[in-house]
Amino acid sequence: AQSVAQPEDQVNVAEGNPLTVKCTYSVSGNPYLFWYVQYPNRGLQFLLKYITGDNLVKGSYGFEAEFNKSQTSFHLKKPSALVSDSALYFCAVRDTGGFKTIFGAGTRLFVKA
Amino acid sequence: DADVTQTPRNRITKTGKRIMLECSQTKGHDRMYWYRQDPGLGLRLIYYSFDVKDINKGEISDGYSVSRQAQAKFSLSLESAIPNQTALYFCATSDLTSNQPQHFGDGTRLSIL
Repeated sequence: AQSVAQPEDQVNVAEGNPLTVKCTYSVSGNPYLFWYVQYPNRGLQFLLKYITGDNLVKGSYGFEAEFNKSQTSFHLKKPSALVSDSALYFCAVRDTGGFKTIFGAGTRLFVKA
Repeated sequence: DADVTQTPRNRITKTGKRIMLECSQTKGHDRMYWYRQDPGLGLRLIYYSFDVKDINKGEISDGYSVSRQAQAKFSLSLESAIPNQTALYFCATSDLTSNQPQHFGDGTRLSIL
């Protein structure tokens, strides 16, 4: 069965510092992996995805994510955090033969000025 | 205008009432989904539809029903609302390609007293 784990409920980082939001997954076949961001009173917005190829994926707003097959991880990163990055972040997985997307519980990112 | 529109955005109602949440989209996608978001649980799939004649249960369909009135419209009903259905509800769409992200509405915040 597919599953996604986001081990941290909240991540705190100072503005200008690098940030990492962790995600590990379990899927029977090859995964499609996604990161979404949710701002208050808004729906989820797509940030980036891993389908195949280069393990480092670049997305919107300067975010990137690194796919690690051996560790079954897909951590979200940004070299320099902004206060405006403060939001709720969701990791999601879908197996390549399927259509159902499984979402993690979410990690709240708080960037302090 | 938003690509995925949900109405109402907020609703407070009483136990036992019938409630309908509506979703419409202008993205031209065939696939539509209803999710429920609860703190600490991420998003859980209630129902999904791959075209007008296709309706499928998700992981938490009990107490809910749906109707796909057209390619662009997908409504969720609570036949007899109960307090533990208090949550944030999201509609999402995606195209037929499994490696594409979903597109979300801004949600309906439902409170059942």
